[in-house]
Amino acid sequence: GDSVTQMEGPVTLSEEAFLTINCTYTATGYPSLFWYVQYPGEGLQLLLKATKADDKGSNKGFEATYRKETTSFHLEKGSVQVSDSAVYFCALVRRADGLTFGKGTHLIIQP
Amino acid sequence: EAQVTQNPRYLITVTGKKLTVTCSQNMNHEYMSWYRQDPGLGLRQIYYSMNVEVTDKGDVPEGYKVSRKEKRNFPLILESPSPNQTSLYFCASSSFGGQGERETQYFGPGTRLLVL
Repeated sequence: GDSVTQMEGPVTLSEEAFLTINCTYTATGYPSLFWYVQYPGEGLQLLLKATKADDKGSNKGFEATYRKETTSFHLEKGSVQVSDSAVYFCALVRRADGLTFGKGTHLIIQP
Repeated sequence: EAQVTQNPRYLITVTGKKLTVTCSQNMNHEYMSWYRQDPGLGLRQIYYSMNVEVTDKGDVPEGYKVSRKEKRNFPLILESPSPNQTSLYFCASSSFGGQGERETQYFGPGTRLLVL
């Protein structure tokens, strides 16, 4: 079946550091891929998405590129801020019945 | 404001006492879904609905019921809650995208449930 694998963390970085959170997937066909973010005490918000191979999603300084050859969708940001501290979920759309999520990566940014 | 609302936000109950968590969206979305979030397990889908009167099981449907009598509402019902249903629950909605795929899912703020 379809699945998403991501590093679970916690990942702890200093402010202004470069961020990479790895995400790989297993799926039939060509699923759309998403990164969602969950700030403390809140629900999930869409951060970015890509719907086909080689697409790059971007938002708020975060980027991820849909790599079909490596079945990956790694999240990157050049300079993180304390306000980026959150849990980040990689996900794919699974056929017609909903999202398959990774287990989430807890990101902690220290001043 | 486009949003998904859930009520209650926090709930403490006892084993066997029926409860309902409501979910409502104001975006005229066809698709709605319930997820539960547990430490180390991420989010798992409980039930989903592709339109009024159309519901189907997700990955972890045991112990839950849903109904979709109106497009905007998708309540989650626990007929006889048990402690293993203690979790954080999220409702989500989306419109249909191209080729039958789900477009962006919008999530509610979550309902934290404790079953004693």
